[in-house]
Amino acid sequence: AQKITQTQPGMFVQEKEAVTLDCTYDTSDQSYGLFWYKQPSSGEMIFLIYQGSYDEQNATEGRYSLNFQKARKSANLVISASQLGDSAMYFCAISAGGTSYGKLTFGQGTILTVHP
Amino acid sequence: EAGVAQSPRYKIIEKRQSVAFWCNPISGHATLYWYQQILGQGPKLLIQFQNNGVVDDSQLPKDRFSAERLKGVDSTLKIQPAKLEDSAVYLCASSFWAGGPSGETQYFGPGTRLLVL
Repeated sequence: AQKITQTQPGMFVQEKEAVTLDCTYDTSDQSYGLFWYKQPSSGEMIFLIYQGSYDEQNATEGRYSLNFQKARKSANLVISASQLGDSAMYFCAISAGGTSYGKLTFGQGTILTVHP
Repeated sequence: EAGVAQSPRYKIIEKRQSVAFWCNPISGHATLYWYQQILGQGPKLLIQFQNNGVVDDSQLPKDRFSAERLKGVDSTLKIQPAKLEDSAVYLCASSFWAGGPSGETQYFGPGTRLLVL
């Protein structure tokens, strides 16, 4: 079984500053993927960034980067230069291996509020 | 490229009634997923299709929920009869395929918000 833990129910950040959202995971699979999604109040899940378990370099996508520490089983999301539009719920998720390729297990989420 | 489409966006029904949700995935995506997201929680997988076959339905309450994906494209999720605890957002997602060991990025639709009274 796989598990994602997001320990920060809510985070606040000032506009233009950087913020780190924490994510730890547990899995018995050797090969897996880690994902971050953004969910604004409209409800749609927006894909942000992906990290494969065998990727040696941390993933980056524009202002988003994933701080992947495999030994610590953590996959924190870093958002640089926060914008007001970044205010949303953020979910960390892990993909399953075995016969359930692709199945995502999500954490509880972190609500990010960006202040002007 | 068109994203994942879902309808309806909102639905209000009374308990014991039936309801159906529709999903059209991104063109060419072989894998389709239905998730249930209860308020304040992360989405939970209900069922996963690879083309028109079921890969995983272990968390689908089969006494009341059913889903099909005819011709490997559109999918319908049905609840009959609905219970109060079924109030949630039902998200449909698709991915190009799901054969890789590290998973494949899933793209989500806007969701259907269901309220059972």
